[in-house]
Amino acid sequence: DAGVTQSPTHLIKTRGQQVTLRCSPKSGHDTVSWYQQALGQGPQFIFQYYEEEERQRGNFPDRFSGHQFPNYSSELNVNALLLGDSALYLCASSSVGGRGTEAFFGQGTRLTVV
Amino acid sequence: AQSVTQPDIHITVSEGASLELRCNYSYGATPYLFWYVQSPGQGLQLLLKYFSGDTLVQGIKGFEAEFKRSQSSFNLRKPSVHWSDAAEYFCAVAPYNAGNMLTFGGGTRLMVKP
Repeated sequence: DAGVTQSPTHLIKTRGQQVTLRCSPKSGHDTVSWYQQALGQGPQFIFQYYEEEERQRGNFPDRFSGHQFPNYSSELNVNALLLGDSALYLCASSSVGGRGTEAFFGQGTRLTVV
Repeated sequence: AQSVTQPDIHITVSEGASLELRCNYSYGATPYLFWYVQSPGQGLQLLLKYFSGDTLVQGIKGFEAEFKRSQSSFNLRKPSVHWSDAAEYFCAVAPYNAGNMLTFGGGTRLMVKP
């Protein structure tokens, strides 16, 4: 079992650009949540996808959007990048529509906006 | 709104000494409580979780945590710390039956002296 995999591992973008991050959930999981972890802080919940729909959303602007595919993999898109979007982006998967008892995290994508 | 407070940003202990990391949460209903560990540049690994039942829960790597509803606390303990335990530790709370919608504390960085 490969666990949760994220790509790419590192990314450098320029302010104003758009970025897409990808996540493959752990085998058997159907729910994906995305988190943003700024340097020196705890992760913050961005949103959760289940059955190809956004089910819950944290306090993030509409510049942050996502998608879930029929194979349960997911993408996080961020438009009009700001310097403050620089962070580690973590994907976490779980089972049973998010009602599963725990989330499994990927290694993250380190996004640097310059 | 739910929140998690980890009062200690940094803690240094000697190898072999005991450890207690503090966590206080604010949540209006029955919470799911978690402790995760993060090594530098890595994702999050679940140490232990509490859903219901026995308020003392055992986790991996010799860690345990005690849920105290009256104090809204979920402190992490380990009787004897190893150098490999040096990492960032995060306490998190999730709504009942939604373990992948986590609210994290700010983290405690543990350093271990030889």
